[in-house]
Amino acid sequence: QSALTQPRSVSGSPGQSVTISCTGTSSDVGTYDYVSWFQQYPGKAPKLMIYDVTKRPSGVPDRFSGSKSGNTASLTISGLQAEDEADYYCCSFAGSHTYVFGGGTKLTV
Amino acid sequence: EVQMVESGGGLVQPGGSLRLSCAASGFSFSNYWVTWVRQAPGKGLEWVANIKRDGSEKYYVDSMKGRFAISRDNAQNLLFLQMNSLRAEDTAVYYCARVDWAHMDVWGKGTTVIVSS
Repeated sequence: QSALTQPRSVSGSPGQSVTISCTGTSSDVGTYDYVSWFQQYPGKAPKLMIYDVTKRPSGVPDRFSGSKSGNTASLTISGLQAEDEADYYCCSFAGSHTYVFGGGTKLTV
Repeated sequence: EVQMVESGGGLVQPGGSLRLSCAASGFSFSNYWVTWVRQAPGKGLEWVANIKRDGSEKYYVDSMKGRFAISRDNAQNLLFLQMNSLRAEDTAVYYCARVDWAHMDVWGKGTTVIVSS
């Protein structure tokens, strides 16, 4: 149950695109298509942005997209906006009804 | 409105116990797995425990097995986390969340637990 690996920080200018990676193992990300991404503002609860690797909940802008290759999942945010500045966490199902989160990535716009 | 509201956090001495509650509303609570996730100050999210719809199956992160116990009361739409033998490193905001298939789609605002003498 080791944490997934995310870059500590990424940055981009308004209008640009950024990609946040999330590296796990063959026991979690590599095996299950159940990777989620959460956005969290300081002092607030996490908000689901992407689930099942690529799906967006209702209300999440289509600027947010997810993908996966092997043991690494990625969140891409296109057309960056100031309001996207937040912490982002990935989460993977890890079998036997357990989950593992990434360490989080601070996005600066 | 679908929501989950945690309560029961507070200041507790090392070695002490605390029971957190989470009240669910706006959906059929008994149809969902639910989970606890915590976040230590300035740190990332950490999955704590899961419980099946009828409470018959419970799963924990290895580091908390034996100290924490998850339970639920479907008649009252309540989720609980009993925390024993608390340590300073258990200081965190504790969130409850609904699990829809394999993702956590509805979160509470969290309740703060501080373990300190």
